[in-house]
Amino acid sequence: DTGVSQDPRHKITKRGQNVTFRCDPISEHNRLYWYRQTLGQGPEFLTYFQNEAQLEKSRLLSDRFSAERPKGSFSTLEIQRTEQGDSAMYLCASSPRQGADEQFFGPGTRLTVL
Amino acid sequence: DQQVKQNSPSLSVQEGRISILNCDYTNSMFDYFLWYKKYPAEGPTFLISISSIKDKNEDGRFTVFLNKSAKHLSLHIVPSQPGDSAVYFCAASRGEYGNKLVFGAGTILRVKS
Repeated sequence: DTGVSQDPRHKITKRGQNVTFRCDPISEHNRLYWYRQTLGQGPEFLTYFQNEAQLEKSRLLSDRFSAERPKGSFSTLEIQRTEQGDSAMYLCASSPRQGADEQFFGPGTRLTVL
Repeated sequence: DQQVKQNSPSLSVQEGRISILNCDYTNSMFDYFLWYKKYPAEGPTFLISISSIKDKNEDGRFTVFLNKSAKHLSLHIVPSQPGDSAVYFCAASRGEYGNKLVFGAGTILRVKS
């Protein structure tokens, strides 16, 4: 079991560009979560999937954000027309089943928008 | 609306002594509470959790206490070790809402040798 992996670990982009991040959960974990963390704050929930179904999106997730989990395995998070306020650490987590509350986090993708 | 609060931004403790990290919450519907530890440039690592039906859970040097009437939980680390120096996050969830975690802002723990 290799844990949750995220790619890339760091991304620097110019304002207005689109970026895409990937998350590979622990195999056979059917729940996958995205969080965003800014300096001095705890992670904030963005969205989550049970298998391939996206079950909830936070109001933090504006129309410029979209997430997919096409085959119920890896997930992607895309940000279109990035803004400086999107600069943050984007964390992915997975958990094995409904009712299991422990979530296992990846190392995160640090996004810097210039 | 900050539903989970960690009011101490930092804590400094001598090696071998007890570290006590505190957390308060406002939503009485939370039914599960967790503590995570985070080192720089890494994701949060799960430490210990407690269900709302319990008031204490122990795992080695780590003990979490839950006081539902006060909406307060605490993490005790005994004895504290220099390797425990990290940011500690308290989190809470409601099972019926997909177990999404609501985090506090974190407490930086420094254990001095």
